[in-house]
Amino acid sequence: EVQVLESGGGLVQPGGSLRLSCAASGFTFSSYAMIWVRQAPGKRLEWVSAISGTGASTYYADSVKGRFTISRDNSRNTLYLQMNSLRAEDTALFYCVKGRSSSVRYGLDVWGQGTTVSVSS
Amino acid sequence: QSVLTQPPSVSGAPGQRVTISCTGSSSNIGAGYDVQWFQQVPGTVPKLLIYGNSNRPSGVPDRVSGSKSGASASLAISGLQAEDEADYYCQSYDSSLSAYVVFGGGTKLTVL
Repeated sequence: EVQVLESGGGLVQPGGSLRLSCAASGFTFSSYAMIWVRQAPGKRLEWVSAISGTGASTYYADSVKGRFTISRDNSRNTLYLQMNSLRAEDTALFYCVKGRSSSVRYGLDVWGQGTTVSVSS
Repeated sequence: QSVLTQPPSVSGAPGQRVTISCTGSSSNIGAGYDVQWFQQVPGTVPKLLIYGNSNRPSGVPDRVSGSKSGASASLAISGLQAEDEADYYCQSYDSSLSAYVVFGGGTKLTVL
């Protein structure tokens, strides 16, 4: 069964950092793009960042560019999101999502359960 | 503002058919990129309903269908059931400099 499982969320003060992880199983991890999507309470889905299957190409939403870094370790079947300079508006449920192919252009399919990030003093 | 535009809400009675539109532009849907549709029941994880514009994953009933024309796509649900009440999001790819994975703003489907 294809599964992705996020971890690393928590409460952090404004300006702080967190590192999210996503452990993948049930598919050939290196063959698929991976995406982070967030959803603030009661709000719509918002794309955050994406990475190609090889890790050679990375993409960021304007709202996180320069603060967040996406990476992957294909030997460990794990996706990461390093989040620095966190702001209150980053508070959300962060989902790890499997892409439909090695390129992000073909869309998303399997979603994890999400990990909650709360930024507050 | 979302790159893909959806109506905020639609509604229908049990057994009826509803459609949800998703309007993009020449840098996303109009450029030929695939459209996906996700269903999110409140408090749950989004679920893939349609991929590649009109394909259903296994387990999604055939009363759910998707289509695409030009820079727009549509999701249709026929034979409405109470469990269809949820938020629905379209998703595509955008080739402009500032957006890659794009979502619609979401549509709340209410079953009357």
